[in-house]
Amino acid sequence: QSVLTQPPSASGTPGQRVTISCSGSSSNIGRNYVYWFQQLPGTAPKLLIYRNDQRPSGVPDRFSGSKSGTSASLAISGLRSEDEADYYCAAWDESLNSYVFGTGTVVTVL
Amino acid sequence: QVQLVESGGGVVQPGRSLRLSCAASGFSFSLYGMHWVRQAPGKGLEWVAVIWDDVSNKYYGDSVKGRFTISRDNSKNTLYLHMNSLRAEDTAVYYCAREDAMAGTPLDNWGQGTLVTVSS
Repeated sequence: QSVLTQPPSASGTPGQRVTISCSGSSSNIGRNYVYWFQQLPGTAPKLLIYRNDQRPSGVPDRFSGSKSGTSASLAISGLRSEDEADYYCAAWDESLNSYVFGTGTVVTVL
Repeated sequence: QVQLVESGGGVVQPGRSLRLSCAASGFSFSLYGMHWVRQAPGKGLEWVAVIWDDVSNKYYGDSVKGRFTISRDNSKNTLYLHMNSLRAEDTAVYYCAREDAMAGTPLDNWGQGTLVTVSS
């Protein structure tokens, strides 16, 4: 059971900007960093954003993260066909003493 | 480069046990925390457990607490997941992943996963 809520799907045409939301609570997003992962079809997940808005080396600056209160967002600008994937947010939950993942969002490039 | 290779998956009957392994290379294994994350077929990611670099702390997800045990052998650069009392709902691909606490990047490198199927 996921503690963080994401929209099931998002879509856009090439070049557009797509935003994915992640809603949590005071015990997770409200107190801790948010992380975002990209999972391409048939592959293992990949860390996309860490500490709310930081990109690991090699991640294009088309991907950006933000956090406000108990919610976070991932934005993909200049959408490309290779961005078609599942995207998950995650955070440490102080009440559960565990990491929790979001429900996942499927991004489709039209 | 960082490499994580899981093994030990397979078909197991409900109530039985299984041990997964994750062989690490390309980095100083003993200096990093390690996680297990699973994904049921067609479903989302579910965090399973974490063990700190010095084994001082271990944490588990609610659905596996009391049944699964995470451990590591730093001399063998290997992470383990001991799974007992397996249930059908434990069927999933199990991934191991590294945490770089200094850089603040949990789950920054992942293995390819190993499939566990719990079925009679």
